[in-house]
Amino acid sequence: AQKVTQAQTEISVVEKEDVTLDCVYETRDTTYYLFWYKQPPSGELVFLIRRNSFDEQNEISGRYSWNFQKSTSSFNFTITASQVVDSAVYFCALSETHSGNTPLVFGKGTRLSVIA
Amino acid sequence: DAGVTQSPTHLIKTRGQHVTLRCSPISGHKSVSWYQQVLGQGPQFIFQYYEKEERGRGNFPDRFSARQFPNYSSELNVNALLLGDSALYLCASSLRDREGNYGYTFGSGTRLTVV
Repeated sequence: AQKVTQAQTEISVVEKEDVTLDCVYETRDTTYYLFWYKQPPSGELVFLIRRNSFDEQNEISGRYSWNFQKSTSSFNFTITASQVVDSAVYFCALSETHSGNTPLVFGKGTRLSVIA
Repeated sequence: DAGVTQSPTHLIKTRGQHVTLRCSPISGHKSVSWYQQVLGQGPQFIFQYYEKEERGRGNFPDRFSARQFPNYSSELNVNALLLGDSALYLCASSLRDREGNYGYTFGSGTRLTVV
């Protein structure tokens, strides 16, 4: 069965600090996709990244970076030099591809508060 | 271009009533999925529709139903509302049913409160 675990419920950092959000997943599929979404207070889920299971290259996008390690089933997200606008709930999600139906399975989310 | 549009944005209903939530996907997207997000939790999958056919159903009771129209918009219906149905209902659209290839775009959701 699919499962996504985000062990950190809440994290609070001071502006300009680096912060890493952890994500551990479980799946029996060999082909799957991993996602990170940001949910600001408005409620909309904002897509940040999609990574397929065959691509273990780490990715950097501005202040954001992602570390995908299949050996530990982890897909961690780091924000460098955090800003107040980064305050939100962040969700990690998993989608398997063994059939045409691939709903997202989400973790419980990590609430990040960046204090000025 | 318009994103995923959901209506209404907020709704208050009484226990036992029925509710209909609506979603318009991004133009060109043929797949719509519905998720329920209870306060403090991650979204949970309810339904997926592609080309007007149900392609998947999550672990929700039969009180929950949905449909997709020829223009790919969708409705989520919930009968005999319970207090526990209070949640943010999110709609997501994607180009095809293989969301892993194309990703999802979510709407801002409908916040349903059952009193």
